[in-house]
Amino acid sequence: SAVISQKPSRDICQRGTSLTIQCQVDSQVTMMFWYRQQPGQSLTLIATANQGSEATYESGFVIDKFPISRPNLTFSTLTVSNMSPEDSSIYLCSAGTGGNTIYFGEGSWLTVV
Amino acid sequence: ILNVEQSPQSLHVQEGDSTNFTCSFPSSNFYALHWYRWETAKSPEALFVMTLNGDEKKKGRISATLNTKEGYSYLYIKGSQPEDSATYLCAFSGGSNYKLTFGKGTLLTVNP
Repeated sequence: SAVISQKPSRDICQRGTSLTIQCQVDSQVTMMFWYRQQPGQSLTLIATANQGSEATYESGFVIDKFPISRPNLTFSTLTVSNMSPEDSSIYLCSAGTGGNTIYFGEGSWLTVV
Repeated sequence: ILNVEQSPQSLHVQEGDSTNFTCSFPSSNFYALHWYRWETAKSPEALFVMTLNGDEKKKGRISATLNTKEGYSYLYIKGSQPEDSATYLCAFSGGSNYKLTFGKGTLLTVNP
């Protein structure tokens, strides 16, 4: 299994600013991902965080808006840039250890005002 | 665009009732179907990962079935307890096990 810690757990941000969310896994993992859940919507995959290289983004998400780092096998960051109220969401980090189960962090609840 | 549908959207039951939810997903290019239990301010908790048509899995009072040919899975809770109150999410992965497409979830409230 994997225990995933995220911070901040919650934040209120001004529009136009940027926020970086950190994700720490308690063991080395094969894959790390970032998801978001906008109000009333499904959890949606933003990107796969690749260790030592650029993240792979899903359709509708771009690096300039959501830059991602993954410097090693246990840590990743997601930045939400130039925030607007539409970015108010729960952002979740997830990881796969090579088995079938995908583990999730507790989420970072972001409100943009 | 992959479509994962869950029903009902929400459900209120009395303590001791048994209940079930449905998840429908694309029947082509299937790899796995995941069920999660998500309480507010906690991590989504993995309940089951199901990969084979006809699979049935059980964890305590919770069980799940899978039909990959028709593209649906059922989650059953026997003798619901207030601590079962949560949002139950299903997620489909096709081709790659790690990229999940989620439904919107079923919000279960169990009244004491």
